[in-house]
Amino acid sequence: EPEVTQTPSHQVTQMGQEVILRCVPISNHLYFYWYRQILGQKVEFLVSFYNNEISEKSEIFDDQFSVERPDGSNFTLKIRSTKLEDSAMYFCASSEQIQGAEGYTFGSGTRLTVV
Amino acid sequence: GQSLEQPSEVTAVEGAIVQINCTYQTSGFYGLSWYQQHDGGAPTFLSYNALDGLEETGRFSSFLSRSDSYGYLLLQELQMKDSASYFCAVPPTGGGNKLTFGTGTQLKVEL
Repeated sequence: EPEVTQTPSHQVTQMGQEVILRCVPISNHLYFYWYRQILGQKVEFLVSFYNNEISEKSEIFDDQFSVERPDGSNFTLKIRSTKLEDSAMYFCASSEQIQGAEGYTFGSGTRLTVV
Repeated sequence: GQSLEQPSEVTAVEGAIVQINCTYQTSGFYGLSWYQQHDGGAPTFLSYNALDGLEETGRFSSFLSRSDSYGYLLLQELQMKDSASYFCAVPPTGGGNKLTFGTGTQLKVEL
């Protein structure tokens, strides 16, 4: 079964450092997303990406965040200068179309710890 | 805006039936999805209701009442492996495409 692949599975970084989280969405999917989940809380939307541009972003997705699709397969989330409160699980997801009966497919996540 | 409320925790015994409720307030509505998430794992899509009524998929069923802004996930013949968090979610409306998740319900299945 096709899956969304995320690397690394764990990342520890010092406050103020830049991190890049990587994702390979399902190949025939057109919509890509990043979500995050702070420990014990609900999954929160960060950004959606379609046709090589951001289609929607949340208030969490400030100037410290950026996304890129550098080639035909990878989808990255960059945090320019990490803060302690950025520590969370970051999930990439993709979908063939805007959410419907098929649902989104999520990757296994990257656990980011900012120290 | 969109908000979805769920009970924070439900406990049930193996073999039993459990219902996880979700009430929502949304501006526009297309349907209600359910996702399962095991500790530290990825949310996994379970079901989607666009119309009122019950949708059955094996041991799991999902119900929607649009007039009551309410839905539930029904899990039958509970197994230990069903212990997980369950989230209801609403798809985008009005041109956006973010999936908004509910507060989540942690299900504990006991022997």
